[in-house]
Amino acid sequence: DVKVTQSSRYLVKRTGEKVFLECVQDMDHENMFWYRQDPGLGLRLIYFSYDVKMKEKGDIPEGYSVSREKKERFSLILESASTNQTSMYLCASSPQNTGELFFGEGSRLTVL
Amino acid sequence: DQQVKQNSPSLSVQEGRISILNCDYTNSMFDYFLWYKKYPAEGPTFLISISSIKDKNEDGRFTVFLNKSAKHLSLHIVPSQPGDSAVYFCAASPKTSYDKVIFGPGTSLSVIP
Repeated sequence: DVKVTQSSRYLVKRTGEKVFLECVQDMDHENMFWYRQDPGLGLRLIYFSYDVKMKEKGDIPEGYSVSREKKERFSLILESASTNQTSMYLCASSPQNTGELFFGEGSRLTVL
Repeated sequence: DQQVKQNSPSLSVQEGRISILNCDYTNSMFDYFLWYKKYPAEGPTFLISISSIKDKNEDGRFTVFLNKSAKHLSLHIVPSQPGDSAVYFCAASPKTSYDKVIFGPGTSLSVIP
């Protein structure tokens, strides 16, 4: 059974803390994505990656960075968490040129 | 400014009837359209897609219709079942980058037994 696994389902952090969200896929997909989901706004793309060590900004990259050192792993980093980054974070992967994303179960982050 | 719009935040339908979920888009560069379904506490799952060269695509109980001139697409579910109750996201990607998928805000569908 193919899978996208996110390391933490629920996190609570304090303002200013550094936060790491990890994502691993076992489908050998080239593309990996980080979205955040907020009520009334749908899923907004933060960053994506077409290949190892490659990254591109999505629509809302401010306050975030990413790392892709291995094909199967894509990490989202919040250097200094703020309360407006409280959200559901969704990692996804896809084969090239399909647009058909496979999502993880999500990581709900609360920043106090 | 949202490029993919779903103007109905919620929809309730009786079991066995048709559910119609609507989606509008503003970017004429969008070339490929998808619908995703999301249950609570789970990630979205791909449901059905349509290329801009088509106006209809059918998969079992699910049919997607595309009207390019109106920049409008719709998802029809017939017959609706209680297990279809979920949030449905419309999504689109441009011909310049099929991998960059833009999502709408979602419509929450409730199918009443």
